[in-house]
Amino acid sequence: KAGVTQTPRYLIKTRGQQVTLSCSPISGHRSVSWYQQTPGQGLQFLFEYFSETQRNKGNFPGRFSGRQFSNSRSEMNVSTLELGDSALYLCASTPRENTEAFFGQGTRLTVV
Amino acid sequence: AQSVTQPDIHITVSEGASLELRCNYSYGATPYLFWYVQSPGQGLQLLLKYFSGDTLVQGIKGFEAEFKRSQSSFNLRKPSVHWSDAAEYFCAVGAGAGNNRKLIWGLGTSLAVNP
Repeated sequence: KAGVTQTPRYLIKTRGQQVTLSCSPISGHRSVSWYQQTPGQGLQFLFEYFSETQRNKGNFPGRFSGRQFSNSRSEMNVSTLELGDSALYLCASTPRENTEAFFGQGTRLTVV
Repeated sequence: AQSVTQPDIHITVSEGASLELRCNYSYGATPYLFWYVQSPGQGLQLLLKYFSGDTLVQGIKGFEAEFKRSQSSFNLRKPSVHWSDAAEYFCAVGAGAGNNRKLIWGLGTSLAVNP
């Protein structure tokens, strides 16, 4: 069974631009979560989607948004990029409630 | 507030030595507990988990962890470290339920292994 796939692996964007990251969960997993990882703040929860609905959201500004499609694939979007948005963005899928999360390799976003 | 503390930012051990990485959590209910490992530039791989039952859990790569409710701890151990174990280790708590469910993470412990 294929793991969680995130594309692209690396991105370089300019301040003020927007970016879209993609995540394909493990087949059969309906829950997808997104995390931001930075050296200073560690791993921070962005949001979780389940059956195309956002179920939970972390403390991030409205510039961070996401969605989930009927095939469980998910995208997250960051608008009006800031230098501080440079981070590793990790996607995780979960097969059922209260089970472990399976992570993709992440998308490394650099904002210049 | 819910939180996870990994007191050791960086640890260096010699290959073949034993290892213990500490994790303390603050959570009102019975937690779901996890240890993940991350190699440079990679995602997170689950080492082991605790949901209920036996408080000593076995994981992959020879790791084990013990849940101690009285100490709010979930320390990770390995009897003999291999050079390939050098990585970043994260402890996490599964907090909340339903629409409030999420993982709360420690800041990680970086493990270096001397040959």
